Amino acid sequence: AQSVTQLGSHVSVSEGALVLLRCNYSSSVPPYLFWYVQYPNQGLQLLLKYTTGATLVKGINGFEAEFKKSETSFHLTKPSAHMSDAAEYFCAVSDRGGSNYKLTFGKGTLLTVNP
Amino acid sequence: KAGVTQTPRYLIKTRGQQVTLSCSPISGHRSVSWYQQTPGQGLQFLFEYFSETQRNKGNFPGRFSGRQFSNSRSEMNVSTLELGDSALYLCASSSTGDYGYTFGSGTRLTVV
Repeated sequence: AQSVTQLGSHVSVSEGALVLLRCNYSSSVPPYLFWYVQYPNQGLQLLLKYTTGATLVKGINGFEAEFKKSETSFHLTKPSAHMSDAAEYFCAVSDRGGSNYKLTFGKGTLLTVNP
Repeated sequence: KAGVTQTPRYLIKTRGQQVTLSCSPISGHRSVSWYQQTPGQGLQFLFEYFSETQRNKGNFPGRFSGRQFSNSRSEMNVSTLELGDSALYLCASSSTGDYGYTFGSGTRLTVV
Protein backbone atom coordinates (compact mmCIF):
# COMPACT_ATOMS: atom_id res chain seq x y z
CA ALA A 1 0.00 0.00 0.00
CA GLN A 2 1.13 3.53 -0.70
CA SER A 3 1.92 5.99 2.07
CA VAL A 4 3.12 9.57 2.27
CA THR A 5 5.13 11.14 5.07
CA GLN A 6 5.44 14.88 5.43
CA LEU A 7 8.20 15.80 7.87
CA GLY A 8 7.15 18.67 10.09
CA SER A 9 3.49 19.39 10.72
CA HIS A 10 4.35 23.07 11.13
CA VAL A 11 7.06 25.08 9.39
CA SER A 12 7.71 28.73 10.15
CA VAL A 13 9.84 31.00 7.93
CA SER A 14 10.50 34.70 7.60
CA GLU A 15 9.27 36.63 4.61
CA GLY A 16 11.92 36.40 1.90
CA ALA A 17 13.47 33.21 3.29
CA LEU A 18 13.69 29.85 1.56
CA VAL A 19 10.69 27.56 1.92
CA LEU A 20 11.41 23.82 2.12
CA LEU A 21 8.58 21.37 2.77
CA ARG A 22 9.56 17.72 2.90
CA CYS A 23 7.68 14.77 1.45
CA ASN A 24 8.69 11.11 1.30
CA TYR A 25 6.59 8.33 -0.16
CA SER A 26 6.44 4.59 0.06
CA SER A 27 5.33 2.72 -3.03
CA SER A 28 6.27 -0.47 -4.83
CA VAL A 29 6.76 1.48 -8.07
CA PRO A 30 7.36 5.21 -8.50
CA PRO A 31 3.94 6.83 -8.32
CA TYR A 32 2.58 10.04 -9.71
CA LEU A 33 3.34 12.82 -7.22
CA PHE A 34 1.45 15.98 -6.37
CA TRP A 35 1.58 19.00 -4.11
CA TYR A 36 -1.63 20.76 -3.15
CA VAL A 37 -2.19 23.93 -1.11
CA GLN A 38 -5.19 24.68 1.06
CA TYR A 39 -6.11 28.13 2.31
CA PRO A 40 -8.50 28.50 5.27
CA ASN A 41 -12.08 27.45 4.47
CA GLN A 42 -11.10 26.48 0.93
CA GLY A 43 -10.62 23.32 -1.07
CA LEU A 44 -7.30 22.07 -2.38
CA GLN A 45 -5.45 23.81 -5.19
CA LEU A 46 -2.92 21.91 -7.29
CA LEU A 47 0.53 23.50 -7.08
CA LEU A 48 2.43 21.05 -9.27
CA LYS A 49 2.66 17.42 -10.27
CA TYR A 50 5.21 14.90 -11.49
CA THR A 51 4.10 12.15 -13.82
CA THR A 52 7.00 11.57 -16.19
CA GLY A 53 9.96 13.33 -17.81
CA ALA A 54 12.06 16.02 -16.11
CA THR A 55 12.40 15.37 -12.41
CA LEU A 56 12.46 19.06 -11.49
CA VAL A 57 8.91 20.30 -11.75
CA LYS A 58 7.87 23.94 -11.71
CA GLY A 59 4.48 24.94 -10.43
CA ILE A 60 2.39 27.97 -9.73
CA ASN A 61 3.31 30.85 -7.42
CA GLY A 62 7.05 30.23 -7.79
CA PHE A 63 7.06 26.76 -6.21
CA GLU A 64 9.03 23.82 -7.55
CA ALA A 65 9.68 20.24 -6.50
CA GLU A 66 12.24 17.62 -7.41
CA PHE A 67 11.48 13.93 -7.72
CA LYS A 68 14.37 11.84 -6.35
CA LYS A 69 13.71 8.18 -6.95
CA SER A 70 16.73 6.98 -4.93
CA GLU A 71 15.51 8.93 -1.90
CA THR A 72 11.77 8.35 -2.55
CA SER A 73 11.31 12.05 -1.99
CA PHE A 74 9.42 14.93 -3.59
CA HIS A 75 10.33 18.01 -1.55
CA LEU A 76 8.67 21.35 -2.28
CA THR A 77 10.73 24.55 -2.38
CA LYS A 78 10.33 28.25 -3.02
CA PRO A 79 13.36 30.57 -3.00
CA SER A 80 11.67 33.51 -1.29
CA ALA A 81 8.59 33.24 0.93
CA HIS A 82 5.76 35.71 0.65
CA MET A 83 3.11 36.44 3.24
CA SER A 84 0.48 35.08 0.85
CA ASP A 85 2.19 31.64 0.95
CA ALA A 86 0.88 31.03 4.47
CA ALA A 87 -1.38 28.00 4.12
CA GLU A 88 -1.43 24.24 4.59
CA TYR A 89 0.42 22.12 2.05
CA PHE A 90 -0.31 18.52 1.20
CA CYS A 91 1.83 16.03 -0.65
CA ALA A 92 -0.08 13.26 -2.43
CA VAL A 93 0.59 10.19 -4.57
CA SER A 94 -1.44 8.11 -6.95
CA ASP A 95 -0.71 4.83 -8.70
CA ARG A 96 1.27 5.11 -11.92
CA GLY A 97 -1.07 4.00 -14.66
CA GLY A 98 -4.09 5.11 -12.69
CA SER A 99 -5.20 1.69 -11.58
CA ASN A 100 -6.77 2.68 -8.28
CA TYR A 101 -8.05 6.16 -9.15
CA LYS A 102 -7.34 7.74 -5.80
CA LEU A 103 -4.93 10.11 -4.11
CA THR A 104 -3.17 9.16 -0.91
CA PHE A 105 -2.30 12.27 1.10
CA GLY A 106 0.24 13.12 3.72
CA LYS A 107 -0.90 14.68 6.98
CA GLY A 108 -0.08 18.16 5.76
CA THR A 109 2.39 20.90 6.71
CA LEU A 110 1.14 24.23 7.97
CA LEU A 111 3.39 27.00 6.67
CA THR A 112 3.59 30.23 8.66
CA VAL A 113 5.33 33.26 7.16
CA ASN A 114 6.56 35.89 9.60
CA PRO A 115 7.00 39.53 8.56
CA LYS B 1 -14.14 27.59 -17.39
CA ALA B 2 -16.20 26.89 -14.28
CA GLY B 3 -14.53 24.91 -11.53
CA VAL B 4 -15.86 22.11 -9.38
CA THR B 5 -19.02 23.23 -7.63
CA GLN B 6 -20.13 21.74 -4.35
CA THR B 7 -23.43 22.46 -2.66
CA PRO B 8 -24.26 23.33 -0.02
CA ARG B 9 -21.18 24.98 1.49
CA TYR B 10 -22.33 24.46 5.06
CA LEU B 11 -24.70 22.01 6.70
CA ILE B 12 -25.78 21.35 10.26
CA LYS B 13 -27.51 18.05 10.94
CA THR B 14 -28.62 16.12 14.00
CA ARG B 15 -27.32 12.68 14.93
CA GLY B 16 -29.35 9.95 13.26
CA GLN B 17 -30.38 12.06 10.29
CA GLN B 18 -29.18 11.54 6.76
CA VAL B 19 -27.57 14.03 4.40
CA THR B 20 -26.95 14.35 0.67
CA LEU B 21 -24.09 16.41 -0.74
CA SER B 22 -23.86 17.45 -4.36
CA CYS B 23 -20.92 17.94 -6.72
CA SER B 24 -20.83 19.31 -10.27
CA PRO B 25 -17.50 18.55 -11.97
CA ILE B 26 -15.64 20.63 -14.50
CA SER B 27 -17.31 20.37 -17.87
CA GLY B 28 -15.94 17.36 -19.75
CA HIS B 29 -14.55 15.65 -16.65
CA ARG B 30 -15.94 12.17 -16.23
CA SER B 31 -14.11 11.12 -13.06
CA VAL B 32 -15.43 12.37 -9.73
CA SER B 33 -13.93 11.54 -6.36
CA TRP B 34 -14.92 12.30 -2.80
CA TYR B 35 -12.68 12.86 0.20
CA GLN B 36 -13.33 13.43 3.89
CA GLN B 37 -11.07 15.85 5.75
CA THR B 38 -10.90 15.92 9.54
CA PRO B 39 -8.27 17.33 11.91
CA GLY B 40 -7.57 13.89 13.35
CA GLN B 41 -7.55 11.65 10.27
CA GLY B 42 -6.56 14.15 7.60
CA LEU B 43 -7.68 13.60 4.02
CA GLN B 44 -9.24 10.21 3.41
CA PHE B 45 -10.56 8.79 0.14
CA LEU B 46 -14.24 7.86 0.08
CA PHE B 47 -14.95 6.73 -3.49
CA GLU B 48 -14.40 7.44 -7.17
CA TYR B 49 -16.85 7.31 -10.05
CA PHE B 50 -16.28 7.30 -13.78
CA SER B 51 -19.12 7.26 -16.28
CA GLU B 52 -21.61 6.32 -13.56
CA THR B 53 -19.52 3.35 -12.36
CA GLN B 54 -17.81 3.20 -8.98
CA ARG B 55 -14.22 2.17 -9.68
CA ASN B 56 -12.80 2.36 -6.18
CA LYS B 57 -14.06 2.73 -2.64
CA GLY B 58 -12.25 3.72 0.53
CA ASN B 59 -12.44 2.18 3.95
CA PHE B 60 -15.66 3.71 5.19
CA PRO B 61 -18.80 2.07 6.59
CA GLY B 62 -21.76 1.33 4.38
CA ARG B 63 -23.53 4.42 5.71
CA PHE B 64 -21.46 6.34 3.19
CA SER B 65 -22.66 5.94 -0.37
CA GLY B 66 -22.47 7.79 -3.62
CA ARG B 67 -23.61 7.86 -7.17
CA GLN B 68 -22.87 9.57 -10.44
CA PHE B 69 -25.37 10.68 -13.02
CA SER B 70 -25.11 10.56 -16.81
CA ASN B 71 -24.07 14.25 -16.87
CA SER B 72 -21.17 13.37 -14.52
CA ARG B 73 -22.69 15.21 -11.56
CA SER B 74 -22.28 13.24 -8.37
CA GLU B 75 -23.93 12.98 -5.01
CA MET B 76 -22.81 11.38 -1.79
CA ASN B 77 -25.14 10.31 0.96
CA VAL B 78 -24.45 9.65 4.61
CA SER B 79 -27.18 7.89 6.55
CA THR B 80 -27.63 7.65 10.31
CA LEU B 81 -25.24 10.49 10.99
CA GLU B 82 -22.79 10.25 13.87
CA LEU B 83 -20.89 13.03 15.62
CA GLY B 84 -17.69 11.70 14.08
CA ASP B 85 -19.03 12.38 10.60
CA SER B 86 -18.47 16.09 11.17
CA ALA B 87 -15.91 17.02 8.55
CA LEU B 88 -15.13 18.92 5.39
CA TYR B 89 -16.23 16.81 2.42
CA LEU B 90 -14.30 17.55 -0.73
CA CYS B 91 -15.25 16.60 -4.25
CA ALA B 92 -12.66 16.47 -7.02
CA SER B 93 -12.93 15.93 -10.75
CA SER B 94 -10.54 14.75 -13.41
CA SER B 95 -10.77 13.95 -17.09
CA THR B 96 -9.54 10.38 -16.64
CA GLY B 97 -8.81 9.89 -12.95
CA ASP B 98 -5.07 9.48 -12.94
CA TYR B 99 -3.24 12.70 -13.68
CA GLY B 100 -4.41 14.79 -10.79
CA TYR B 101 -7.65 16.25 -9.67
CA THR B 102 -9.28 19.67 -9.40
CA PHE B 103 -11.01 20.13 -6.07
CA GLY B 104 -14.11 22.03 -5.10
CA SER B 105 -14.35 24.28 -2.05
CA GLY B 106 -16.01 21.57 -0.04
CA THR B 107 -19.10 21.11 2.10
CA ARG B 108 -18.60 21.66 5.82
CA LEU B 109 -20.87 19.19 7.65
CA THR B 110 -21.46 19.61 11.35
CA VAL B 111 -23.35 16.88 13.21
CA VAL B 112 -24.83 17.90 16.57
